[in-house]
Amino acid sequence: AQTVTQSQPEMSVQEAETVTLSCTYDTSESNYYLFWYKQPPSRQMILVIRQEAYKQQNATENRFSVNFQKAAKSFSLKISDSQLGDTAMYFCAFMKPFFGNEKLTFGTGTRLTIIP
Amino acid sequence: SQTIHQWPATLVQPVGSPLSLECTVEGTSNPNLYWYRQAAGRGLQLLFYSVGIGQISSEVPQNLSASRPQDRQFILSSKKLLLSDSGFYLCAWRDREGGNTIYFGEGSWLTVV
Repeated sequence: AQTVTQSQPEMSVQEAETVTLSCTYDTSESNYYLFWYKQPPSRQMILVIRQEAYKQQNATENRFSVNFQKAAKSFSLKISDSQLGDTAMYFCAFMKPFFGNEKLTFGTGTRLTIIP
Repeated sequence: SQTIHQWPATLVQPVGSPLSLECTVEGTSNPNLYWYRQAAGRGLQLLFYSVGIGQISSEVPQNLSASRPQDRQFILSSKKLLLSDSGFYLCAWRDREGGNTIYFGEGSWLTVV
């Protein structure tokens, strides 16, 4: 079974600074997907970024980028120029793809607070 | 574009009462559908998933059940709620035609009193 570990329960950073959230995972699979989801106070789960394990290039989405280290099974999220709206819980998630019932396995989350 | 809606957004129910949370997806056909639960201060736990009408797989034995009466409709139910059923419930979907991302609804807060 896959496991996802987020070792930072809480983090805070000043507005406009850069912050990195850590995530490690354990799997014996060679092909899989990794995600970062954001859960603001509204509680809706919003996709931030996705990484396919077969791609060596790190995914980027505007101010959000990942550092994917497949051998180390590490998948960190970097938020540049942080904004007050980035305040949220951030969840790292793993999905093993196969036809039919793909399922997400989540970490326990990191609560990020952006300080004005 | 695809959208997902679930309701009610907030629910306060007494112990022993029934439950029905509903979720619908628009703009896609034959999606995979999921129910997740998030207990206070914890991560998400997959409860049920469905790959088609009438096809339900349960991940965790519990007091809840799920049904998929139509292609884009997913219902979470209970005949008698327990205090431990309190939490935040999220419906989610995935496009089976090549989609490798799971998208979530707005969520439903359930408080059992």
